[in-house]
Amino acid sequence: AQSVSQHNHHVILSEAASLELGCNYSYGGTVNLFWYVQYPGQHLQLLLKYFSGDPLVKGIKGFEAEFIKSKFSFNLRKPSVQWSDTAEYFCAVNSNSGYALNFGKGTSLLVTP
Amino acid sequence: ETGVTQSPTHLIKTRGQQVTLRCSSQSGHNTVSWYQQALGQGPQFIFQYYREEENGRGNFPPRFSGLQFPNYSSELNVNALELDDSALYLCASSARQGNTEAFFGQGTRLTVV
Repeated sequence: AQSVSQHNHHVILSEAASLELGCNYSYGGTVNLFWYVQYPGQHLQLLLKYFSGDPLVKGIKGFEAEFIKSKFSFNLRKPSVQWSDTAEYFCAVNSNSGYALNFGKGTSLLVTP
Repeated sequence: ETGVTQSPTHLIKTRGQQVTLRCSSQSGHNTVSWYQQALGQGPQFIFQYYREEENGRGNFPPRFSGLQFPNYSSELNVNALELDDSALYLCASSARQGNTEAFFGQGTRLTVV
């Protein structure tokens, strides 16, 4: 069955620490990959996306992600987190033949001052 | 803000009742998708509408139905509400069907008692 797995459900970091959130998917064929962020009380916002081309994609607010096809992974990274990065992060996958975004369960990130 | 608006923001219903949730898509977008986000989970795809027709559906029973209007706004209807239907319902609009960037509204929080 097609699925998206996010390895860390809760992450606590101090400001300026580096962040890496794992995302693995099980899909055959071509996929489109996304990371969304949900700040407290706000709507889901797109952080970055990968459709094709350079597997290292840069998004908003200093986030980046690397698509490793052989590992079916699309991990999110940020070199130095800020308190304002406290939010829920969702990895999502869409296959080229499908209509739906399939989301992981999310990772709750708390950044402490 | 994404330009996707949902109403109402909060709703309390009794088990067995019916509910209608509404979504106005972003200007220029002809595709609307609906998602259910239970507490502590990622959004789950309910269905997608493109040019007033349902063209993709997730694993939800028929009592979940929808409409899309000529102006591309949309409704989600849920009949015979169950306690497990309590969730945040998200609407997302995109410029075309299938794999493309989706913009989410803030959601409708439905509580079934």
